[in-house]
Amino acid sequence: DAKTTQPNSMESNEEEPVHLPCNHSTISGTDYIHWYRQLPSQGPEYVIHGLTSNVNNRMASLAIAEDRKSSTLILHRATLRDAAVYYCIHDTEHRDDKIIFGKGTRLHILP
Amino acid sequence: KAGVTQTPRYLIKTRGQQVTLSCSPISGHRSVSWYQQTPGQGLQFLFEYFSETQRNKGNFPGRFSGRQFSNSRSEMNVSTLELGDSALYLCASSLAGQGGRLYGYTFGSGTRLTVV
Repeated sequence: DAKTTQPNSMESNEEEPVHLPCNHSTISGTDYIHWYRQLPSQGPEYVIHGLTSNVNNRMASLAIAEDRKSSTLILHRATLRDAAVYYCIHDTEHRDDKIIFGKGTRLHILP
Repeated sequence: KAGVTQTPRYLIKTRGQQVTLSCSPISGHRSVSWYQQTPGQGLQFLFEYFSETQRNKGNFPGRFSGRQFSNSRSEMNVSTLELGDSALYLCASSLAGQGGRLYGYTFGSGTRLTVV
């Protein structure tokens, strides 16, 4: 199964950058790395995804290690609305593999 | 475009009863997956359907079942409800087969099931 490892929780001050790490040591060469976040009382929502190069969008940046066994989601300037559970997952080319979201990282933003 | 629609949003059932939850995927999406989320737990995978076939199943008892129709809409059924089945049930649909199984993976808002 496609599993990832993330810290259970992290804390950051408002308006400061946040770096959320993720290990995905079993990733295959063609698997994309995806990040989702879940706000209270909602289903998870897509944040960003990438393959090898670093990626930027309006929500965040994704930095992928050269060996692709880890990645970091970067929120450049955290706001109180960014308080959520962040999930890191990767695609799998094996159709029998389950897509495992795990428990994610609960991000607390301090005003 | 319309997102993933789950019905009903809230449901209260009694122990021993059975329940059916519905998920309408985004138009064109052929894969539907179901997850259970309980307080303090992450998203626990239930099953995945693709083109009316169950492609994968999580570690849940046989009381949990699902199916997918030709229009890609999916239902999940839980029989003989237990108190521990109280949870938020989420479904996600994706294009699948085009750019990876997570391509366009979009969640619905979920059905909150309470068993009393």
